[in-house]
Amino acid sequence: KQEVTQIPAALSVPEGENLVLNCSFTDSAIYNLQWFRQDPGKGLTSLLLIQSSQREQTSGRLNASLDKSSGRSTLYIAASQPGDSATYLCAVQGGSEKLVFGKGTKLTVNP
Amino acid sequence: GAGVSQTPSNKVTEKGKYVELRCDPISGHTALYWYRQSLGQGPEFLIYFQGTGAADDSGLPNDRFFAVRPEGSVSTLKIQRTERGDSAVYLCASSLYGTSGRVADTQYFGPGTRLTVL
Repeated sequence: KQEVTQIPAALSVPEGENLVLNCSFTDSAIYNLQWFRQDPGKGLTSLLLIQSSQREQTSGRLNASLDKSSGRSTLYIAASQPGDSATYLCAVQGGSEKLVFGKGTKLTVNP
Repeated sequence: GAGVSQTPSNKVTEKGKYVELRCDPISGHTALYWYRQSLGQGPEFLIYFQGTGAADDSGLPNDRFFAVRPEGSVSTLKIQRTERGDSAVYLCASSLYGTSGRVADTQYFGPGTRLTVL
């Protein structure tokens, strides 16, 4: 059974800092990995999708890497801003259509 | 509005009652998913539709839960004899293909329905 773990559970940083969120998964037989953002009381917003054949994806200040063989992904956020404050969720898709999610990392960026 | 919509946004009911939660996916998306998110947890898969049929319902916790998508668009999640443990945010997502990863297929989520069972 696939299990996804996200570390740390919560992170508080000053504005402008670069930061890394970590995601690990137990079964390396995945098709893709997605990073989502969730704001309080809102649904999930897809940030980046990395296919299993890819090593990384970039969008603006966000960069996600994937090491499928070791079961790890990182989300790098450059020059963090208060508007980046949210919960970040990692999810993997294996042989079925469903996504398996981690519990998330709650990020607070202080002005 | 081109996104996934869900109604109602909040639902408060009493233990033992029946509830229906509605999801309107993005137009043209063939795949539709239901997830449930409890406080402090990531979303957990409930059921996946490809067109009108439930392709995978392995995440439904018991036979009190049922979902339909009769015309391949709107879906309704139905919960009978609600229990306090059913309280959670129910999220709906849709994707264009849902083809077992053969296409990098982003799932787009709605805002969710917060269900509270008293």
